[in-house]
This record gives sequence, structure tokens and C-alpha cells, in this order.
Amino acid sequence: GAGVSQSPSNKVTEKGKDVELRCDPISGHTALYWYRQSLGQGLEFLIYFQGNSAPDKSGLPSDRFSAERTGGSVSTLTIQRTQQEDSAVYLCASSSLLAPYNEQFFGPGTRLTVL
Amino acid sequence: AQKVTQAQTEISVVEKEDVTLDCVYETRDTTYYLFWYKQPPSGELVFLIRRNSFDEQNEISGRYSWNFQKSTSSFNFTITASQVVDSAVYFCALNYGGSQGNLIFGKGTKLSVKP
Repeated sequence: GAGVSQSPSNKVTEKGKDVELRCDPISGHTALYWYRQSLGQGLEFLIYFQGNSAPDKSGLPSDRFSAERTGGSVSTLTIQRTQQEDSAVYLCASSSLLAPYNEQFFGPGTRLTVL
Repeated sequence: AQKVTQAQTEISVVEKEDVTLDCVYETRDTTYYLFWYKQPPSGELVFLIRRNSFDEQNEISGRYSWNFQKSTSSFNFTITASQVVDSAVYFCALNYGGSQGNLIFGKGTKLSVKP
């Protein structure tokens, strides 16, 4: 397979619950990115990882959002106490290196709906 | 400030027409990279092209062509003899030399090609 995969593809949750979104990057890609796509805001950058390290968390919209990456591979984006405004498609991307010229390969996204 | 503007929200054409999608960018960096991505109805962003700020040569790939003009800060995308399969949302994106690699996206242009 070899593309970026994300799970679940769809998630419906109730306001106030916590959710975990998973991303499996392309094997060997050291850089991993999370973006959010919503109707009002377009595509927004959330956080990036170089290996397991996320040096800049300033793109995360609130302290309810956190992310981690383990083993230089899988990443999990966690949203605590979800709110309706968190409803969006969460996209993960990876690239071979953390560099602005590198093509990023995107996964199919997780559509999150908060009721 | 770094910004990408895609003024055309939606375009509708009839198959075989040529169509140009506009992209205007803003950046203070002298080194930057411009990208176009396609998002078909399936949702996965697909990389189309990358251009660096030092290479203003236009590019053609089959029915697709790109016109990069630094003088007007534009990176326009033309589809010649459009086909129904070209129907998608197209995003222009910017990555600049001082960034950590995260893409700054325009709001996207939704292209509908009717048979």
C-alpha cells in the first residue's frame, strides 16, 4: 500500500467526549503534518512532527488539542472535551524530510462530527 | 505575512473548454515554493506541481499548464480541453524558506466540468 492512511474515516461523537484520530505515514517519512479542513476556515495547519518531536504547537486551536508521534511513525491527534466547532475533516500528511520544498503526501482524512 | 488568495470560489465549464484557475500569493521571503493540489470528490489531496521562486519557467504536463509570474505574484493553472474527470477542488499553496514546512493554502476553487 504505501500511502498515508488515517483512521477512523468517519467519527461521530457527542459534545464533551474525547476523540483520538490516527495517522500512519508513508514508511520512512520523517516529517508528519496535521491539517484541519472546515467549511469556514479552509485548510489550516495544526502541528508538524520531525521524527517524534513537535517543536511548535502554536497551530493547535486550543489546549484541548494534543498530538503525539511514537517510533517515528504513527501519530495520534487527540481532542478532549469536543465542541461542535471541532467538526471538520482532519488531514494528515507526510514527507520524506522536513523541508519547505518537499511534496507532502496526504491521507484520506478523518471526518469528525460533534453533535 | 504569508498568504494565498484564490479569488474564484467556483467555476463551471462545459467539457472541452479551457479553464484557468487563478492564484495570487504574498510572502516577504525571497525563497519560497508554490504548489497546486487537486482534491477530487473522494477527498484525498493529490499533488500536481511544485515551483520554486527562482524558476519562473512555465510548465506543461499534458493538458495541464502553469504560469508563474513573480512580477504579479501569481501562479495560475490552466486546464486545456477540460474533461469531466477534472471536476474537483483545486488548491494553491505556499511554503516559504523560513517555515517549518507547513503549507499555507488558498481557500480553493471548485471546478465543475459538465458533459
